[in-house]
Amino acid sequence: EAQVTQNPRYLITVTGKKLTVTCSQNMNHEYMSWYRQDPGLGLRQIYYSMNVEVTDKGDVPEGYKVSRKEKRNFPLILESPSPNQTSLYFCASSPRPHADTQYFGPGTRLTVL
Amino acid sequence: AQSVTQLDSQVPVFEEAPVELRCNYSSSVSVYLFWYVQYPNQGLQLLLKYLSGSTLVKGINGFEAEFNKSQTSFHLRKPSVHISDTAEYFCAVTGGSYIPTFGRGTSLIVHP
Repeated sequence: EAQVTQNPRYLITVTGKKLTVTCSQNMNHEYMSWYRQDPGLGLRQIYYSMNVEVTDKGDVPEGYKVSRKEKRNFPLILESPSPNQTSLYFCASSPRPHADTQYFGPGTRLTVL
Repeated sequence: AQSVTQLDSQVPVFEEAPVELRCNYSSSVSVYLFWYVQYPNQGLQLLLKYLSGSTLVKGINGFEAEFNKSQTSFHLRKPSVHISDTAEYFCAVTGGSYIPTFGRGTSLIVHP
């Protein structure tokens, strides 16, 4: 089944404790991205990747890191999480960035205390 | 720069009634337009998209949208809604940037 998976689905952590949210897709898509969803703000893109070893900042990259060492994986790293990073996070992939449908993962709900 | 405005944050409607969810965009270049739906506790999935050609686009679950370039709008419509259509709906635009812009979402609430 074609899908985007994220882990964990739920995470509660404390300020400053490094964490990684994994994302994997099995559709051989070149383009992957991370979003955060906050009430009343819609989705905002954090980082995106056009292909292996190619990443770039989205609209809200501060406090986040990403890497793309393999085509299928695109982990999101919070090196020192803060409470304002409490949010719902989505990973997405698509064959191309502009005109193609984006396929979203199920989401990761992160709470930073 | 591009932007998307979803004019209604919440739209309540009775089952079997028609519904329209409004979306306006701005962009200095040609755009691609999308509507996504998010059911509770799920990720987003594509309803329909406009890339080029016919301005009336049909999607899944009986939804359709019309691209109106002069009014910079891409409103989503369904002639008769069902309880199962209760969800959050997002309009999105991509243009010259690799960063798509999403609207803030419209919560469609279908009452029996």
